[in-house]
Amino acid sequence: NAGVTQTPKFQVLKTGQSMTLQCAQDMNHEYMSWYRQDPGMGLRLIHYSVGAGITDQGEVPNGYNVSRSTTEDFPLRLLSAAPSQTSVYFCASKNGGAAANEQFFGPGTRLTVL
Amino acid sequence: QQQVKQSPQSLIVQKGGISIINCAYENTAFDYFPWYQQFPGKGPALLIAIRPDVSEKKEGRFTISFNKSAKQFSLHIMDSQPGDSATYFCAASKRDSNYQLIWGAGTKLIIKP
Repeated sequence: NAGVTQTPKFQVLKTGQSMTLQCAQDMNHEYMSWYRQDPGMGLRLIHYSVGAGITDQGEVPNGYNVSRSTTEDFPLRLLSAAPSQTSVYFCASKNGGAAANEQFFGPGTRLTVL
Repeated sequence: QQQVKQSPQSLIVQKGGISIINCAYENTAFDYFPWYQQFPGKGPALLIAIRPDVSEKKEGRFTISFNKSAKQFSLHIMDSQPGDSATYFCAASKRDSNYQLIWGAGTKLIIKP
């Protein structure tokens, strides 16, 4: 099992550009989520999904879109990149949907917006 | 609104010593408290977790102590080793929010040889 994979590992964007961060998991997990990690702030939830076709907003959703057409994939779209979106982005998945189970994280995407 | 407060921000411990990281929470509805460990350039990974029906959980050198009345929980690393050097995050979650994790700000732990 590859677990949770994310691409790209690094990305530099100019203000106003759009892009999609890819996330895939091969563990057949129902629940997937996107976090951003900023120094001194822990991880903040951007969007999450409890199953294919179902998505919802987290704590900091503005400027981001998600979709969940399959169980495996959960891409995160930046609509018009801003310097405030410079961060490290992590995708995670867990089994059991609403259960208190271990979250498995991808290796992250380090995004810089100039 | 910071619902989980973690301290200290950074911690330096001698090899063989005890590392202690503390967290406090506000929402009494939280009923799952995990600790995650993150090495540089990697995603966080679950280290140990506790439910509020027990006051302590031990897994090897790692122990969570839980004080429900004080709304506090802590991670103790016994016989700390250089390989334990990492950033540690506490978190809290509850059933009616799909057990989405509310994270502490993290503690950077350095174990000196």
